[in-house]
Amino acid sequence: GAVVSQHPSWVICKSGTSVKIECRSLDFQATTMFWYRQFPKQSLMLMATSNEGSKATYEQGVEKDKFLINHASLTLSTLTVTSAHPEDSSFYICSASTPSGHEQYFGPGTRLTVT
Amino acid sequence: DAKTTQPNSMESNEEEPVHLPCNHSTISGTDYIHWYRQLPSQGPEYVIHGLTSNVNNRMASLAIAEDRKSSTLILHRATLRDAAVYYCILRDWESSGDKLTFGTGTRLAVRP
Repeated sequence: GAVVSQHPSWVICKSGTSVKIECRSLDFQATTMFWYRQFPKQSLMLMATSNEGSKATYEQGVEKDKFLINHASLTLSTLTVTSAHPEDSSFYICSASTPSGHEQYFGPGTRLTVT
Repeated sequence: DAKTTQPNSMESNEEEPVHLPCNHSTISGTDYIHWYRQLPSQGPEYVIHGLTSNVNNRMASLAIAEDRKSSTLILHRATLRDAAVYYCILRDWESSGDKLTFGTGTRLAVRP
């Protein structure tokens, strides 16, 4: 199946700093990518839909100025957590749709810890 | 997206079949039934999807009730690697496109 990678796999940062997470579709072009957040023992929560060449669509309650999403190419979307705080510590996961649309392929996730 | 109901947890013995149920009584005619699973500390993985007919692939089978108000994911021979959280998701292509809304899923434990 298709492969989606994320970088870094884990990151520790200090409160107040910004962190960028990359999501790449390695063997297919993804016009749409999705960003999820998952807290321990909870399910995935969709944060935003990232469309190549246009602004991301954020879910209700997600601060677009805090979670900056850029989808500059058909294989790369980035999520920047700005001015991170301990409550932003979470598992961030991206996904991308195949051209047929039925299957979504997920990245391995990025574990963010804010100290 | 229409809501799905799954048991919180299930257990199975290794090498035995597993039937994971999902109720979706408010399913609409355009909702596809998708199953994903998430192994510990990993991103979810696509398992199978269907609309009306039963579906088979190398990972599992999907049995869909005739009225489509429920479905069952079947793992024919559970292995330890199948221990994961299994999510049953309804997706209305027309209204929500590629968006997936995850519920709480079923945590499957496999006993050796």
